[in-house]
Amino acid sequence: QLQLQESGPGLVKASETLSLTCTVSGGSIAGSSDYWGWIRQPPGKGLEWIGNIYYTGNTYYNPSLKSRVTMSVDTSKNQFSLKVHTVTAADTAVYYCAREPTYCSGGSCYNQYYFDYWGQGTLVTVSS
Amino acid sequence: QSALTQPPSASGSPGQSVTISCSGTSADVGRFNYVSWFQQHPGKAPKLMIYEVTKRPSGVPDRFSGSRSGNTASLTVSGLQAEDEADYYCSSYAGSNNLVFGGGTKLTVL
Repeated sequence: QLQLQESGPGLVKASETLSLTCTVSGGSIAGSSDYWGWIRQPPGKGLEWIGNIYYTGNTYYNPSLKSRVTMSVDTSKNQFSLKVHTVTAADTAVYYCAREPTYCSGGSCYNQYYFDYWGQGTLVTVSS
Repeated sequence: QSALTQPPSASGSPGQSVTISCSGTSADVGRFNYVSWFQQHPGKAPKLMIYEVTKRPSGVPDRFSGSRSGNTASLTVSGLQAEDEADYYCSSYAGSNNLVFGGGTKLTVL
């Protein structure tokens, strides 16, 4: 059974960089054709997609966050990471990591644009 | 402001059916077959209930069904049960490797 677990500081100062890691167990990031994503949810509000990454390092980001977001992958540790730069109070949220499965046929794989496995989420608070 | 529009609340009595709408545009919901629905109980991670507009993952009761008409997708929960009380979110592919979510609907089982 695939499991994802977020980790990182729960408190970040405004203007600094938020850094989170997602550890995948029960499956290999490098051994799959899937994408891996980050989604966040401010307290009492809805979900916001942040971005996705492939094991090769290929990424795609939410256009509204693209200028402040960096994602990376470490296949040796079966982890992928998120950095949000120059944070403000508006970045306070529960951050989830999740898997986006792909559909493979004829030697090509295609994004499916949904998330089927999610981590439990981690709350990150930006303090002034 | 969310890219997809959902009603803030919906309700129904046990055994009844409830439909939650997700309104988008011809650039997202109306264009791509990549609409999904998630259920979220308080303090828990979202759970995938529907993907590709109408498909149900293994383990999701067939009481949950998805559909689409034009630029509006819908999630119908039939035979409402107490455990269906939760927040529900829709999402859609919006082209150019962009994903958008709805603002969420709180479903109350009366």
